[in-house]
Amino acid sequence: GQQVMQIPQYQHVQEGEDFTTYCNSSTTLSNIQWYKQRPGGHPVFLIQLVKSGEVKKQKRLTFQFGEAKKNSSLHITATQTTDVGTYFCAGTGGSNFGNEKLTFGTGTRLTIIP
Amino acid sequence: DAGVIQSPRHEVTEMGQEVTLRCKPISGHNSLFWYRQTMMRGLELLIYFNNNVPIDDSGMPEDRFSAKMPNASFSTLKIQPSEPRDSAVYFCASRSTPLAGAGEQFFGPGTRLTVL
Repeated sequence: GQQVMQIPQYQHVQEGEDFTTYCNSSTTLSNIQWYKQRPGGHPVFLIQLVKSGEVKKQKRLTFQFGEAKKNSSLHITATQTTDVGTYFCAGTGGSNFGNEKLTFGTGTRLTIIP
Repeated sequence: DAGVIQSPRHEVTEMGQEVTLRCKPISGHNSLFWYRQTMMRGLELLIYFNNNVPIDDSGMPEDRFSAKMPNASFSTLKIQPSEPRDSAVYFCASRSTPLAGAGEQFFGPGTRLTVL
């Protein structure tokens, strides 16, 4: 079955430093999503990428979808304490009809040192 | 909008007991998903419904787990009998028909289940 791995598993950064998490799938994805889960909270949708090579930005967050649609990355510029949490990628394979189930990555837990 | 509602928020039970988790999706959403989250296995999809019909239950661990969606505004996940290894946070999520891709899923606050 489809497997989605993320690295690193944990990341500790000083406030103001940049942060990047990488997501790799064992199979080609039709699209990929990113979610953020605060400690003790629930996953919250951040973005969806559909096209090969797509890049999207949300303020300090930059999301990329690889050309082969098997990997993705999330980069945060100048981290803030509000960025603390676990970041998950989630991919779907096969057709693009919206009925596909998401396979979540293993997550990267980000902690910020003030 | 109240968002996805789950109950109970916390459940502590003894091994062998029946556990029923409840979910009310966001009104107008036609897909509902049940997930389980543990440190060891991460976030796993158990089952999902489209228009109240189960589409994929391949993630349901074993026959002790069952899920129903009798109408568009209510779903249950039942574990009978429960075992300590079922201890986890169970999330319900809902989604409307997406225009592209898999579409945004809205997660509920989760039910933290502890089986002693």
